[in-house]
Amino acid sequence: RKEVEQDPGPFNVPEGATVAFNCTYSNSASQSFFWYRQDCRKEPKLLMSVYSSGNEDGRFTAQLNRASQYISLLIRDSKLSDSATYLCVGSSGYALNFGKGTSLLVTP
Amino acid sequence: NAGVTQTPKFQVLKTGQSMTLQCAQDMNHNSMYWYRQDPGMGLRLIYYSASEGTTDKGEVPNGYNVSRLNKREFSLRLESAAPSQTSVYFCASSGRTGRNSPLHFGNGTRLTVT
Repeated sequence: RKEVEQDPGPFNVPEGATVAFNCTYSNSASQSFFWYRQDCRKEPKLLMSVYSSGNEDGRFTAQLNRASQYISLLIRDSKLSDSATYLCVGSSGYALNFGKGTSLLVTP
Repeated sequence: NAGVTQTPKFQVLKTGQSMTLQCAQDMNHNSMYWYRQDPGMGLRLIYYSASEGTTDKGEVPNGYNVSRLNKREFSLRLESAAPSQTSVYFCASSGRTGRNSPLHFGNGTRLTVT
């Protein structure tokens, strides 16, 4: 079982919609969490870190629930350019563990 | 500001051939990593180097070797390529290992082994 699990989707949403992704992690010792965005045939790029108190960056909000061992990403007012795969990442010791990604397609 | 640079971008090998994937970063990062990404499998760690002079195995090290040549450079070698090593390879670096330190990725190397 992978340490980080995500619903692969795809999530198809209309422009302007709000969409939420959840991700669960199995290692309760995981300390740090991130959301990455990966466009087709490109490298993953850091979208945002996830802090214990929750954090927001423009239209994006990330939250961490340590009791239930999941993190979430909320995207408000979806844009066409948000179409991508979103990777949930947790750390355990030396390296980062990536989820397989959730595919988002925003349609006109 | 180049960030993480990988070469080559594309490579086709025959089974049994060898090659070295090169990676360099100009961000003065201590830690460097090699991942492979396959459809349906996500990113899997092959090897990492927490600091100059050290290397350690990740989740899928078999069939690969690495060299941390200096702080900037971290190479991945396939001694005898196999079709199962057909994948997209990403090099990454971070300020320090793991905790609170996100990764910066190179553009990737698309490798096909026939």
